[in-house]
Amino acid sequence: GQNIDQPTEMTATEGAIVQINCTYQTSGFNGLFWYQQHAGEAPTFLSYNVLDGLEEKGRFSSFLSRSKGYSYLLLKELQMKDSASYLCAVTDSNYQLIWGAGTKLIIKP
Amino acid sequence: NAGVTQTPKFRILKIGQSMTLQCTQDMNHNYMYWYRQDPGMGLKLIYYSVGAGITDKGEVPNGYNVSRSTTEDFPLRLELAAPSQTSVYFCASSYSGTASYEQYFGPGTRLTVT
Repeated sequence: GQNIDQPTEMTATEGAIVQINCTYQTSGFNGLFWYQQHAGEAPTFLSYNVLDGLEEKGRFSSFLSRSKGYSYLLLKELQMKDSASYLCAVTDSNYQLIWGAGTKLIIKP
Repeated sequence: NAGVTQTPKFRILKIGQSMTLQCTQDMNHNYMYWYRQDPGMGLKLIYYSVGAGITDKGEVPNGYNVSRSTTEDFPLRLELAAPSQTSVYFCASSYSGTASYEQYFGPGTRLTVT
């Protein structure tokens, strides 16, 4: 079966760095997305990786290792507004998006 | 540019009732999707469409129907509501169905069936 695993919840301190991991087992791989979802709101796109390595976009970076079925989202200089759920999603061989359950990130002052 | 809009925002249904969730996008996207999101769970694909007149089942289509008569609109129909359909429903669209195109989501409809 297809499976995406993420930690359920993480806590970090304002101004610090946090890494959210995602491991996947899917039928084929055509890319990995990270989305941010604030409570009660819709998911919004953060990043896309299809090749191995690190993609940096401001305070957020995303890393992919296809051989290990592994990705992480790195958030630097955490702000209170970063409190949200972070969803990992993988595009499988049929170009369907398979979603993880999301990681709820709690930022403390 | 409103993006993806959904109506209603909230709805309470009695068991056995029917309703249609509306979804409209103004980005001229060919691909549209309906998801449900249950607490603590990932998004589950209900139905999707690759263009006007074409729809296909996703992972959890039972109890739902869709139509796509225009590029802009993709309504989701619940015929006989059941408590298991209590969820948050998101409509999304993307320019293409190939891997690199992000999906844009509507604000969601929170449905309770009692």
